[in-house]
Amino acid sequence: KQEVTQIPAALSVPEGENLVLNCSFTDSAIYNLQWFRQDPGKGLTSLLLIQSSQREQTSGRLNASLDKSSGRSTLYIAASQPGDSATYLCALMMDSSYKLIFGSGTRLLVRP
Amino acid sequence: GAVVSQHPSRVICKSGTSVKIECRSLDFQATTMFWYRQFPKQSLMLMATSNEGSKATYEQGVEKDKFLINHASLTLSTLTVTSAHPEDSSFYICSAPPKYFGPGTRLTVL
Repeated sequence: KQEVTQIPAALSVPEGENLVLNCSFTDSAIYNLQWFRQDPGKGLTSLLLIQSSQREQTSGRLNASLDKSSGRSTLYIAASQPGDSATYLCALMMDSSYKLIFGSGTRLLVRP
Repeated sequence: GAVVSQHPSRVICKSGTSVKIECRSLDFQATTMFWYRQFPKQSLMLMATSNEGSKATYEQGVEKDKFLINHASLTLSTLTVTSAHPEDSSFYICSAPPKYFGPGTRLTVL
């Protein structure tokens, strides 16, 4: 059974810092991996999607990497801003069914 | 971009009552929708897959008679929590593939 772990569970940083969020998974036979953002009491916004054959994806200040063999992914946020404060979720797809297996998330607070 | 709406956003009900949550795709058609549940400080867990024109499929451990799913049209799926109990209090989120999520419904059962 696939298990997804996110470390740290919570993170508080001053504005402007670069930071790394971690996601690990036990079964490396993934189809793809996504990073989502969840704002309090709201739905999810997809940030980056990495196919199993890819190593990384970038969008603006965000960069996600994937190392399937070691079962790890990282989300790098450059020059963090208070508006980045949210919960970040890592989610895996094991096949083309679109069903997602989520980690428990990292709650990020960026202090002004 | 594609938008998924949910109604209601919050609901409080008494134990033993039934609650219906609607999930709509606003500008596209969705033959499949997913229902997830999120308990406080826990990850989202897939409950069931809603299929237009056929029965929903449920994940292991999810009671199909308790969580009734109806995919009435290509733009509407409903989740009914029957005879709700306090342990059903949770955040319910629907999703339309490939990556569109509703804003969620906070259910509190007293």
